[in-house]
Amino acid sequence: QSALTQPASVSGSPGQSITISCTGTSSDVGGYNYVSWYQQHPGKAPKLMIYDVNKRPSGVSNRFSGSKSGNTASLTISGLQAEDEADYYCCSYAVSSPHVVFGGGTKLTVL
Amino acid sequence: QLQLQESGPGLVKPSETLSLTCTVSGGSISSSSYYWGWIRQPPGKGLEWIGSIYYTGSTYYNPSLKSRVTISVDTSKNQFSLKLSSVTAADTAVYYCARVSLTAIGTNWFDPWGQGTLVTVSS
Repeated sequence: QSALTQPASVSGSPGQSITISCTGTSSDVGGYNYVSWYQQHPGKAPKLMIYDVNKRPSGVSNRFSGSKSGNTASLTISGLQAEDEADYYCCSYAVSSPHVVFGGGTKLTVL
Repeated sequence: QLQLQESGPGLVKPSETLSLTCTVSGGSISSSSYYWGWIRQPPGKGLEWIGSIYYTGSTYYNPSLKSRVTISVDTSKNQFSLKLSSVTAADTAVYYCARVSLTAIGTNWFDPWGQGTLVTVSS
């Protein structure tokens, strides 16, 4: 069982917006602004999409945005495109061991 | 641009030691701003952080694997390595190396990642 809880799957149609949640505790997501999100296409390595809750690395589309409320972080993808279909993982610093925790991953399907 | 590439055997026998190397190109592993880490992903499952190392050799490991893990660095070759001893089938996974951003209190984010290498533990 992963330390952070994500929905197993979400789906949306092209052009729509979707949000993926990542729920932890006050000892990880809720206590620190060190939440990151990764996109992983089948057979590929994860790619950093969001860090520090809501910052985008250079080169990442502004259709991707992050936020946090209490112990739940969220990744929102607006203007869904077919290429967004992938698995998405959240990650957070945690005060307790092992100090780095991942979510179980969410499969995004673009209908 | 910074690139990482894992290398090592794709098949390891049970009870033996898994050994992988990550070669960093397009930048120096001796950067004072980052650590370098290993993450693994069992087939069809999620991500698990294994451990990270600074160019000085300072390490920190996932406690669940600490007794079996050794991460080392070779700055002359711009490489860092992973050794995982006494492997079992449960250690079968894609192993990734990545640059690690650290804050004053701990790990923040991983970027970029190597392409990953599948290591199968089987006799």
